[in-house]
Amino acid sequence: SAVISQKPSRDICQRGTSLTIQCQVDSQVTMMFWYRQQPGQSLTLIATANQGSEATYESGFVIDKFPISRPNLTFSTLTVSNMSPEDSSIYLCSVLYDSYNEQFFGPGTRLTVL
Amino acid sequence: GIQVEQSPPDLILQEGANSTLRCNFSDSVNNLQWFHQNPWGQLINLFYIPSGTKQNGRLSATTVATERYSLLYISSSQTTDSGVYFCASNPAGSYQLTFGKGTKLSVIP
Repeated sequence: SAVISQKPSRDICQRGTSLTIQCQVDSQVTMMFWYRQQPGQSLTLIATANQGSEATYESGFVIDKFPISRPNLTFSTLTVSNMSPEDSSIYLCSVLYDSYNEQFFGPGTRLTVL
Repeated sequence: GIQVEQSPPDLILQEGANSTLRCNFSDSVNNLQWFHQNPWGQLINLFYIPSGTKQNGRLSATTVATERYSLLYISSSQTTDSGVYFCASNPAGSYQLTFGKGTKLSVIP
C-alpha cells in the first residue's frame, strides 16, 4: 500500500483568502488526483495532476479557482482560491501506482471557511 | 460518464449481525474498489475487485462484471465497522474514479 501525507490536516479560513494543500507520496507515481467531499456528500474528482504540464480539470472545476502544481513525481499542491463558505469540504489527494490499477488516498484536509 | 449506485443508503445493525451492501455500475469497468470512510474522514481501502471474489477477515466482496454489480459482505459486525462505505469505479481507458453516494452503516451494541 501507499504512504501518502497531506498538509494541513485541517484549517479554518476567512472568506476571500486562499489555502494551499500539499500532498506527498512515499515513491514516484505517474498519476495523482484531487477530490472534494462536501459535507454529507460523496467524493467528486476535481482534476488530474499531470507532472510537467497543466492539470486536467473535470467539468465544473476551473484552474483560476483550483490551481494545481505537480513539480515532480512525488508531490502536488492544490490551492483553493478566493474562498467562500461553499468551499468548506474535505479535500483528498489520491495516487495510482504505475503497476497497479488501485487508487490510494491521503488522509484528507478538512477545510472550514467562515 | 459511468454511473455508480449504492444501496441501501442507510443501514442500522445490531452488533453481531451480518449485512450485504450493493453497488451497481452502468458500464463495463476497469476497476472496482470498496472503501470505508472512518469518522475522521479517512478513506480506507477494503477491496480492489474488478471481478471475482475476495475475502479479508470478516469482510468479503464479489463483483459480477458481466451483470455490472458488486456486493460487500460484512459478517459478525462490530461497532468499529460503523462509518460510510463507498464503492468507486472507472471504465476501461480511464483512471478517474466515479464514486457512489455511499452506504452509512451504524452498528449499535
